[in-house]
Amino acid sequence: GIQVEQSPPDLILQEGANSTLRCNFSDSVNNLQWFHQNPWGQLINLFYIPSGTKQNGRLSATTVATERYSLLYISSSQTTDSGVYFCAARQGAQKLVFGQGTRLTINP
Amino acid sequence: NAGVTQTPKFRVLKTGQSMTLLCAQDMNHEYMYWYRQDPGMGLRLIHYSVGEGTTAKGEVPDGYNVSRLKKQNFLLGLESAAPSQTSVYFCASSNRDSKMNTEAFFGQGTRLTVV
Repeated sequence: GIQVEQSPPDLILQEGANSTLRCNFSDSVNNLQWFHQNPWGQLINLFYIPSGTKQNGRLSATTVATERYSLLYISSSQTTDSGVYFCAARQGAQKLVFGQGTRLTINP
Repeated sequence: NAGVTQTPKFRVLKTGQSMTLLCAQDMNHEYMYWYRQDPGMGLRLIHYSVGEGTTAKGEVPDGYNVSRLKKQNFLLGLESAAPSQTSVYFCASSNRDSKMNTEAFFGQGTRLTVV
């Protein structure tokens, strides 16, 4: 089955900084998603992005399907951006597989 | 539009007890999933279903059973709970793969403690 790896595992930044989170996947996918797990444990859908680039406010994501990676960009970080960011991928009619996550801490 | 709803939100069980977690979705999705998340870890797939009446094993299926008798519901059962099953359980649903958007949506989670 597909393998999903995220980097870095932990990231600590000051408020206002920019960050880039990476997700590598081992095979072609028809579903690639980014989630934010907030301090209350909820999984918030950020992007559904099997290919291309999308932007939503200070967040944007790019998936280069041919090179099997996706990037999540967070600009002008705020303390409310803290939490764990997961990517998940699915290949064909298979299960949705999660990476281990990147724990982001934004200090004031 | 409620999306994906999990019942209950919290539960404490004694070792050996049984229980059923209910997941309901109102988006007419074909696919449904049950995951567990242990502290500091990612989500691991327990079982999933690609349609009404079908189920399949994920990464960590031992100790769990599932049923998908209705398209909108996916039940996760623990026949004899063990402390190792203490975890947060998430349900998700999505469309099947094809030309459709296959974005998955998650419920709010069920925090289960087995003592």
